[in-house]
Amino acid sequence: AQSVTQLDSQVPVFEEAPVELRCNYSSSVSVYLFWYVQYPNQGLQLLLKYLSGSTLVKGINGFEAEFNKSQTSFHLRKPSVHISDTAEYFCAVRANNAGNMLTFGGGTRLMVKP
Amino acid sequence: DAMVIQNPRYQVTQFGKPVTLSCSQTLNHNVMYWYQQKSSQAPKLLFHYYDKDFNNEADTPDNFQSRRPNTSFCFLDIRSPGLGDAAMYLCATSRDDTTDTQYFGPGTRLTVL
Repeated sequence: AQSVTQLDSQVPVFEEAPVELRCNYSSSVSVYLFWYVQYPNQGLQLLLKYLSGSTLVKGINGFEAEFNKSQTSFHLRKPSVHISDTAEYFCAVRANNAGNMLTFGGGTRLMVKP
Repeated sequence: DAMVIQNPRYQVTQFGKPVTLSCSQTLNHNVMYWYQQKSSQAPKLLFHYYDKDFNNEADTPDNFQSRRPNTSFCFLDIRSPGLGDAAMYLCATSRDDTTDTQYFGPGTRLTVL
């Protein structure tokens, strides 16, 4: 079985500051990793994913994430946030032998302040 | 441009009154999923269809049923909603059930009075 831990339930940050949202996972098999964003009262939108290859993955809206196998982490980063980035961010994993079933972390609420 | 559509976006029902939530997709994907997301929690998979093959998660209550009459549509039926079933219900699709990304709809927020 897999599990995902998002270490911070809320991250307040000022506009134009850098941000890192942390994600750690646990799995006995290799995994694929995802970050989704959810704006208020909306569904989940895929930000980026790691399937294989380069461990630094670039996504939409200026976000990027780095897969670190030794630390079992997949932290999300953005060098300069905007007010419009205020949302809930979910990290998810999928085991490579578990079909297409996603296991989500508990989410991190990013609050960007002016 | 809408790819995964959920109707209605907001649904109010009464305790014990059956309710149906709708999902449709224009992607022609084989797999459709239903998730339940309670306030400030992660989405939880209820079940999914691969074509017409239904796959129920082990801990999904019997109160929740699903129908997929064709490739484009999938319905979530809650037979007797309780107060604890108030949540956002998310529909997602993927091309296959092994490697493809899941694409989510905007969700339906269910309120139970």
